[in-house]
Amino acid sequence: QVQLVQSGAEVKKPGASVRVSCKASGYTFTNYYIHWVRQAPGQGLEWMGWINPKSGGTNYAQKFQGRVTMTRDTSINTMYMELSSLRSDDTAVYYCARTPGNSYFDYWGQGTLVTVSS
Amino acid sequence: QSALTQPASVSGSPGQSITISCTGTSSDIGNYNLVSWYQQRPGKAPKVMIYEVNKRPSGVANRFSGSKFGNTASLTISGLQAEDEADYYCCSYAGSGNYVFGTGTKVTVL
Repeated sequence: QVQLVQSGAEVKKPGASVRVSCKASGYTFTNYYIHWVRQAPGQGLEWMGWINPKSGGTNYAQKFQGRVTMTRDTSINTMYMELSSLRSDDTAVYYCARTPGNSYFDYWGQGTLVTVSS
Repeated sequence: QSALTQPASVSGSPGQSITISCTGTSSDIGNYNLVSWYQQRPGKAPKVMIYEVNKRPSGVANRFSGSKFGNTASLTISGLQAEDEADYYCCSYAGSGNYVFGTGTKVTVL
C-alpha cells in the first residue's frame, strides 16, 4: 500500500533552518511528483512547491522562493524539504503529498510539526 | 497568488444538502478543470473527496459531488451525515506548475 512517512516534530530558533523528510513506499518512487503543503495552527492549507523525484526538478511558490529547497535521494525513496531563515510564523504542520499527473493530491504524509520559538 | 475564497462556515441538519463555494479567478479555476476538494478532520491529514472538478475517487461516498461555473467551483454534500462534520478545502491548478488552496470551510452538522 502507498505510504508517505514523515520525520518527527522539530523545535527551532528564529533564523535557523529545518529539514523535513518524507519516505515513500508501496509505489514506483520516480513516477509521481511530491508536493509540500503547510498548515499553521488553526489556519488553512498553503501550497509550498513540488519536486519531480525522477529529474530532481522543482517549482516553488513565489512566497517561499529563496528560503525553501526541495531535494530527493532516490536510493532510499526519500524527499526532503528544507526551510531556512525561520520565523515564528513558519510554525506549522508540514505535509508531503503525492500527485498523479498534475491533478490532485491522492496520498498524504502524516504531517510534521515544526515549532519556531526563541 | 491569493487564496481561493470559501465561506468560513456552512451548516445543515442530517439528511439535508449543503453546498460549499470556492471562488477564484480566470487564472486558476476559470482556466483549468483541475479543481479538487479535501476533507480534513482535526489532527489528521487532508483526504481527497473530489478531483478534476467532478470526479470521485474510489471509496468516497456518492453523496459528494463537484461542479464548476466560470471562476467558481462548488462541492455539494447530499444527505448530510454526522461523519461529514469537518473542514473542507478546495484547490486549483494556477498555471506554470503552481497550485492554490481555498481559505477553508468548517462544516457543522446540526
